[in-house]
Amino acid sequence: DAGITQSPRHKVTETGTPVTLRCHQTENHRYMYWYRQDPGHGLRLIHYSYGVKDTDKGEVSDGYSVSRSKTEDFLLTLESATSSQTSVYFCAISRVPGYNEQFFGPGTRLTVL
Amino acid sequence: GENVEQHPSTLSVQEGDSAVIKCTYSDSASNYFPWYKQELGKGPQLIIDIRSNVGEKKDQRIAVTLNKTAKHFSLHITETQPEDSAVYFCAATKGNTGNQFYFGTGTSLTVIP
Repeated sequence: DAGITQSPRHKVTETGTPVTLRCHQTENHRYMYWYRQDPGHGLRLIHYSYGVKDTDKGEVSDGYSVSRSKTEDFLLTLESATSSQTSVYFCAISRVPGYNEQFFGPGTRLTVL
Repeated sequence: GENVEQHPSTLSVQEGDSAVIKCTYSDSASNYFPWYKQELGKGPQLIIDIRSNVGEKKDQRIAVTLNKTAKHFSLHITETQPEDSAVYFCAATKGNTGNQFYFGTGTSLTVIP
C-alpha cells in the first residue's frame, strides 16, 4: 500500500461521539486525500491537503474536518458521529496534481451505532 | 462537477475469456483516467491509466481505450484468470489544483474457473 498506514483499521462508536482517523505516509508526498466508500457510490472525496496546514473541501465534506500538522500525517475528524457516516474510509497520497496517480491506504471501517 | 458512470455493475466471465468495463464522463476538461482494482478488504490499487493525449494503452493482458469525442473510456482484460476477480473502478480528473478524482460506482468481476 505504497507506504501508507491508517489507524484504527476498525472502529465501532456511538452516535454523537467524536472520532478521529489517522493516515500516515512514509513517501513524503505532498498531497493527501480522505475518501469514503459506500455501496452504489464508489469513492467520494471528503477533504484533501496540498501541504502542511493547507487543506480544502471535497464533494462530501459536511460533518468532517481535517488537519495536517506534518507532511506525513493527515487526520480526519468526525466532531459528532452520525449513522450516515458509517462507511469505509480511505486515505490516498499523490506527489503532485495533474497527471499523477493516487495511491491508497488499506482503509478504516467505521460503524456508528 | 464531473459525473462518471460505469457499466456493468457486475460481470461474470469464464476463465480465458475477455472482460470489458465501460465508463463515461461528463466534463470535457477531464484529462486523466485511471483504473483501480480493489480486492476484498484492501484499498484500491492502480492497474493502468491513460492521459487525454493518448487513444489506447496496453500493459500485458490489460488495455484501456479513450474516446474523447464521445467522452468514454474502457478497460479490456484478455485471457482472464481467477485472480482477476475483484471490483474495478474507473475515475476521471481535470488534474487541476487538488487533483480531485471522480470515481465510477465500480464493477464486480468474477472469473469462473
